[in-house]
Amino acid sequence: AQKITQTQPGMFVQEKEAVTLDCTYDTSDPSYGLFWYKQPSSGEMIFLIYQGSYDQQNATEGRYSLNFQKARKSANLVISASQLGDSAMYFCAMREGPGAGTASKLTFGTGTRLQVTL
Amino acid sequence: NAGVMQNPRHLVRRRGQEARLRCSPMKGHSHVYWYRQLPEEGLKFMVYLQKENIIDESGMPKERFSAEFPKEGPSILRIQQVVRGDSAAYFCASSPGSEQYFGPGTRLTVT
Repeated sequence: AQKITQTQPGMFVQEKEAVTLDCTYDTSDPSYGLFWYKQPSSGEMIFLIYQGSYDQQNATEGRYSLNFQKARKSANLVISASQLGDSAMYFCAMREGPGAGTASKLTFGTGTRLQVTL
Repeated sequence: NAGVMQNPRHLVRRRGQEARLRCSPMKGHSHVYWYRQLPEEGLKFMVYLQKENIIDESGMPKERFSAEFPKEGPSILRIQQVVRGDSAAYFCASSPGSEQYFGPGTRLTVT
């Protein structure tokens, strides 16, 4: 079974609108972390937001928020007020294992290509 | 504090040659991860190292690939006798513990 599933290969959104990028995950470990990264056409991986499995509140970072629904095992990324510069690939990733301070590999989804239009 | 450095950014090798990819972690980070990204795919974990130790190499191909993170100097990912299927972007990430910070990647092209 896929550990991280991103079902939207591509999404379009108009400038200034909000968009939700879906991510579901599968793990039996009670401690895990969920990450979103942005990869623009230049290729670098830019960290956007992190959610720990024990965090009580949904993570927010500026225009990015993570809609964390633990029972449904989903960690959707919400981008508010989209900008042209948001056009990129977006990857959801999971780290399995005990909480903060523990190094562990990331498992990535296949990504969603977001295109912001005028 | 400089970010994660990778060099070269682009590397072209003929089939059968060796490729050496370098990664200098952020200052103070003792954990290094290597990931590979094939075209139009997500990143796949290859290996996790701490200084002088390989912690997890479950994602490394059994042959031709090796990695090291010496006490002094950058981490090296080495691919011997490259084949066309090795063409990919190779990313290094460093971590002080939990969060991983990625370098810009090395794009390897095998001709």
